[in-house]
Amino acid sequence: AQSVAQPEDQVNVAEGNPLTVKCTYSVSGNPYLFWYVQYPNRGLQFLLKYITGDNLVKGSYGFEAEFNKSQTSFHLKKPSALVSDSALYFCAVRDDNYGQNFVFGPGTRLSVLP
Amino acid sequence: DARVTQTPRHKVTEMGQEVTMRCQPILGHNTVFWYRQTMMQGLELLAYFRNRAPLDDSGMPKDRFSAEMPDATLATLKIQPSEPRDSAVYFCASGPGGGADTQYFGPGTRLTVL
Repeated sequence: AQSVAQPEDQVNVAEGNPLTVKCTYSVSGNPYLFWYVQYPNRGLQFLLKYITGDNLVKGSYGFEAEFNKSQTSFHLKKPSALVSDSALYFCAVRDDNYGQNFVFGPGTRLSVLP
Repeated sequence: DARVTQTPRHKVTEMGQEVTMRCQPILGHNTVFWYRQTMMQGLELLAYFRNRAPLDDSGMPKDRFSAEMPDATLATLKIQPSEPRDSAVYFCASGPGGGADTQYFGPGTRLTVL
């Protein structure tokens, strides 16, 4: 079975500082990993995904994520946080042994303080 | 700019009433997903379809929930009878159906059952 953990419910960072939102996963096959962002009263928006290849994935709005197979992690990062990055972030995994079924993490609320 | 659309955006109803939520997936997408989001449970997969056929509805309470795709441009989620514990935001997402396709989410239907 596949699972995703986001160990932090809340991350606070000052504007201009680097940010990291953590994600670890468990799959039996090869993982397809995704990050989504949710702003208040909105649906989830796709940020980036890892399928194969380069471990560093670049996505929308200056975000990037690093796939680490040995640590089974896929942390989301941004070099310089903006107040407008404040939102709820979801990590998701799909195990290529389990068809189209995504599993989402519980979400991490990011607050960027001015 | 192709988007998933959902109607209604908000629904308030009384316990025991039937509720129907509709989703129009992005044209050309052949996978459709229904999710429920609550504070307590986070994001839960209720059902998903490929080429209009239900592939997995194990996350859905079968006695009161039903999901269908009458045609490729319409997916419906029905609750009959509704209960207060069904109060949540219901999201529809669609994807192109490739091996590691991204899911694109609609804006959600906020359901309140009194």
